[in-house]
Amino acid sequence: DAMVIQNPRYQVTQFGKPVTLSCSQTLNHNVMYWYQQKSSQAPKLLFHYYDKDFNNEADTPDNFQSRRPNTSFCFLDIRSPGLGDAAMYLCATSRVIGLSYEQYFGPGTRLTVT
Amino acid sequence: QQQVKQSPQSLIVQKGGISIINCAYENTAFDYFPWYQQFPGKGPALLIAIRPDVSEKKEGRFTISFNKSAKQFSLHIMDSQPGDSATYFCAASGVEAAGNKLTFGGGTRVLVKP
Repeated sequence: DAMVIQNPRYQVTQFGKPVTLSCSQTLNHNVMYWYQQKSSQAPKLLFHYYDKDFNNEADTPDNFQSRRPNTSFCFLDIRSPGLGDAAMYLCATSRVIGLSYEQYFGPGTRLTVT
Repeated sequence: QQQVKQSPQSLIVQKGGISIINCAYENTAFDYFPWYQQFPGKGPALLIAIRPDVSEKKEGRFTISFNKSAKQFSLHIMDSQPGDSATYFCAASGVEAAGNKLTFGGGTRVLVKP
């Protein structure tokens, strides 16, 4: 059963052309995360939503934005993609309750910038 | 400092052998230590996790050993199989990490030769 779903799996965009990646979850988790992962590197957290509260990482470029219209969906908007933004973008979810910290990742969206 | 240091960067093991990956952390507030397995083109999958109140946790062929005083933990893959060939990431989190944020190690690429 799919739990964290990302669409599309592959996205090609042109330099400077806005692009939106989507994530949905069936786990009813209250936290959703967006990570950027480049080749041979660990995932890098861009931001996360704790319920409706948006939490941006200090080093996330302003070019990256996010929306969470409801519990199940979260979007990553890249306003003006550059060649350096080509990467795998991972969505993850977690349920903050007690000492439960498990994060579950989606399959990722591979973004190519031409 | 929020770093988690992981070694080695890559590992080659014969089928049936033992793969050992080590991680060290600095933040004593961390109290949750997961390991993720990632295949090429896929999202990381939660493999096994441990909390500091136990020194070892075993799930099938995968074992986490934890040394609280040394601030180190390791993943042992027993009877390694070619299907275990993947990149493994250790991570850490704790109650102080807003929204269950994970701090990842740099990753270890494991290749199991048949």
